[in-house]
Amino acid sequence: NAGVTQTPKFRILKIGQSMTLQCTQDMNHNYMYWYRQDPGMGLKLIYYSVGAGITDKGEVPNGYNVSRSTTEDFPLRLELAAPSQTSVYFCASTLGAVTEAFFGQGTRLTVV
Amino acid sequence: GEDVEQSLFLSVREGDSSVINCTYTDSSSTYLYWYKQEPGAGLQLLTYIFSNMDMKQDQRLTVLLNKKDKHLSLRIADTQTGDSAIYFCAESSNSNSGYALNFGKGTSLLVTP
Repeated sequence: NAGVTQTPKFRILKIGQSMTLQCTQDMNHNYMYWYRQDPGMGLKLIYYSVGAGITDKGEVPNGYNVSRSTTEDFPLRLELAAPSQTSVYFCASTLGAVTEAFFGQGTRLTVV
Repeated sequence: GEDVEQSLFLSVREGDSSVINCTYTDSSSTYLYWYKQEPGAGLQLLTYIFSNMDMKQDQRLTVLLNKKDKHLSLRIADTQTGDSAIYFCAESSNSNSGYALNFGKGTSLLVTP
């Protein structure tokens, strides 16, 4: 099994550009999450999904959007990129509530 | 949201034991986790403990939970240079959005030869 796969691994965006961070999992997990990790900080929850067709905001959702049309995929969309969105983004999935979370390798995004 | 606090740095000599401490505020926390992050990598689950336990041992790792004080610790015995990484404490409960993990800022462990 590949687990949780994120693409791209690195990206540089100019201010105002948009992009989609891809996340896919092959474990048939219901719950999926997007976190961002800023230097010296823990992970902050951006959005989450408890199943296909269901998404909800986390702690820091402003400037982002998500969709969950299938169980496997949970893309994160950045519209009008800003320098404050420079961060490392992690996607994670779990089978159910309060079970082990599996993380992707991360996407390092720089907005210049 | 609820807070999870960790000390930021720890340096130990190879072969010594390392103890990383964590405190949390959510009294409804159900599971408490330790994740390891190596440079440029994602997070790897090391171990977890259910809130009705007070200790869990897994090879070189020992987790202690003091639920009354909301204090969690991770002890690594015979620490090796390959253990150098950032260690995150995290908690989950049914009060977290979608049962998402709530993380501390991480403890950077440096193991010197």
